[in-house]
Order: sequence, then C-alpha cells, then structure tokens
Amino acid sequence: NAGVTQTPKFRVLKTGQSMTLLCAQDMNHEYMYWYRQDPGMGLRLIHYSVGEGTTAKGEVPDGYNVSRLKKQNFLLGLESAAPSQTSVYFCASSYHTLDLGSPLHFGNGTRLTVT
Amino acid sequence: GENVEQHPSTLSVQEGDSAVIKCTYSDSASNYFPWYKQELGKGPQLIIDIRSNVGEKKDQRIAVTLNKTAKHFSLHITETQPEDSAVYFCAASRPASSGGSYIPTFGRGTSLIVHP
Repeated sequence: NAGVTQTPKFRVLKTGQSMTLLCAQDMNHEYMYWYRQDPGMGLRLIHYSVGEGTTAKGEVPDGYNVSRLKKQNFLLGLESAAPSQTSVYFCASSYHTLDLGSPLHFGNGTRLTVT
Repeated sequence: GENVEQHPSTLSVQEGDSAVIKCTYSDSASNYFPWYKQELGKGPQLIIDIRSNVGEKKDQRIAVTLNKTAKHFSLHITETQPEDSAVYFCAASRPASSGGSYIPTFGRGTSLIVHP
C-alpha cells in the first residue's frame, strides 16, 4: 500500500519554464489537496479537489493550475515558473464524510527551486 | 473563514520533560482537530486527533485536550525523547453538513527540539 506518491522528489527550473507535479493515491479517497510549505508560513493550500473532474482554489492559487481527470491522480501545473514559487510542495488526500472529519494523508513532498 | 493560531513557534526541552503546544481557533462550528508530526524531509503524519464531542484523548505519551468554550486545544507530550524532535501542526475543520467542507485550516507549526 503506497499511500500518496509524489513525483518528482526534486526539480530545478529556470524562470519562465513550465512543469507538472504528479500526485497519485491508492486509498480511493475523494478529496485531494496541494499545499506549499515555506519557512515560517506553515502549510498553505493552493488548490483542492472534492472529486473526479472538480477543482477549487485554495488560499494561494495564483500561478498554478490543477486537474483531476482520474480519482486517484491530482496534477499541479506551473505554466511560467517564478522564483517566488521556490518551495516544498505537498500533496494530500482524505476520505469524505458529511459529519465526521478525517485526517489528511500526505506524500513526502517535491522540493522545487526556481532560479 | 477559520483562523488557527499556534504557539509557541519553537519549543526546546530536555529529554524526559513534558512539552505542550497550544492552538486556538475562531470558527465555533469546527468539530475536528487533528495533530500532525513532520519529520525532516517527510510529509506531515497524523499522530492524534480529537472530535468536539470529547474533551481529552490519550495515546501512550501523547494527549490532546479540547476546550470548546474557549476555542482552544492543546497537544501534550510526556517523557519526551530525542525522536520526538520534529515540527508539529495543529488543524481545525468544520463539517460539510454545517456549510463547511472539512477542508482543514492549519496552524503555522511548532518546531520541537528535545535535547538528550
């Protein structure tokens, strides 16, 4: 049981380049999330999805796009990378209920540097 | 929306001491409060959670307390060990049935350092 898998683990981009971060989960979770983590800022939500084919903006969505074509995959795209997007990116997933919260399951992150 | 404040940002203790991390939240409809531990180079992992229908929950050396009236909850680690050194995050979320979505709001994290 792999849980949440993120690829790649590390990447260096030049300003203006594009890339896609991949996230896959094998737990049949409905909800998936993309966070960025910067020193002193905690975990900030970029985009999230409550089900296949649906996405929504989080706290810091500018400069990013996402797609959820399959339930198990959630892709994060940077169309034109900027140095401000240098960060560690985490994908997470959770199951959904109406009345009971459930924990997030995180991947081990992608460390992105934009020069 | 929900706002979660977490204190302290850094906590340094000697091995064997207790550590307490505190969080406050703003949305009275929030009813699920998980705590995550993040070790270096890894993603956060759930260590304990509490729902609003209980005031305390324990799991070996870890406990969480919740005060709904004051809107704060705390993580208590007793008999700390060097392997407890990590960043700890609290979070709060409200149910979809009350107009929320269970998307959690995280605190900014506490870096716990346990000195041998």
